[in-house]
Amino acid sequence: GIQVEQSPPDLILQEGANSTLRCNFSDSVNNLQWFHQNPWGQLINLFYIPSGTKQNGRLSATTVATERYSLLYISSSQTTDSGVYFCAVEPDNYGQNFVFGPGTRLSVLP
Amino acid sequence: GAGVSQSPSNKVTEKGKDVELRCDPISGHTALYWYRQSLGQGLEFLIYFQGNSAPDKSGLPSDRFSAERTGGSVSTLTIQRTQQEDSAVYLCASSLRADRVRGLWEQYFGPGTRLTVT
Repeated sequence: GIQVEQSPPDLILQEGANSTLRCNFSDSVNNLQWFHQNPWGQLINLFYIPSGTKQNGRLSATTVATERYSLLYISSSQTTDSGVYFCAVEPDNYGQNFVFGPGTRLSVLP
Repeated sequence: GAGVSQSPSNKVTEKGKDVELRCDPISGHTALYWYRQSLGQGLEFLIYFQGNSAPDKSGLPSDRFSAERTGGSVSTLTIQRTQQEDSAVYLCASSLRADRVRGLWEQYFGPGTRLTVT
């Protein structure tokens, strides 16, 4: 089946810094989502981005499906950005479920 | 509108007992997913329901695990004869639909049920 990798596995930032998280996948995908799991365990939708670029406030994401990767950019990080960031991909076969990457654990220090 | 809800939020059970976990998806969502997340780990897919189609059970770890979705809405995940390794957070998600043109739509997650088997 499809393999999903995320890098870096762990990231520590000072408040105000910028960061880029990466998601690589081994096969063609129909769709891709980015999630933030906050310290209380709730998974929050960030982006549904099968291709192209989207922005939402301090966050933006770019997916280059032909090259099998997606990037999540966090600018001017805040302590509330701490948590685990997951990407999830839908393999390019109808009826397949989303496959999650292992996540990037982000800690933003005050 | 209301999001995905799950109950109970926490469940402590003794080894060998059966448990039922409930998921109420967002109204009108035809696709429903169950995942398991062990402490500090990623999400492990368990089962996926799409409309009236046969569910994708490929992620269920053993025959002690089963799930139903009645009336195309509420779903129940049942774990029989629980073991300590079943301790985890069980997450449910729903999405509006899945179709051949767009594929799977955005998933929305519930708060999870934390299961502890003693």
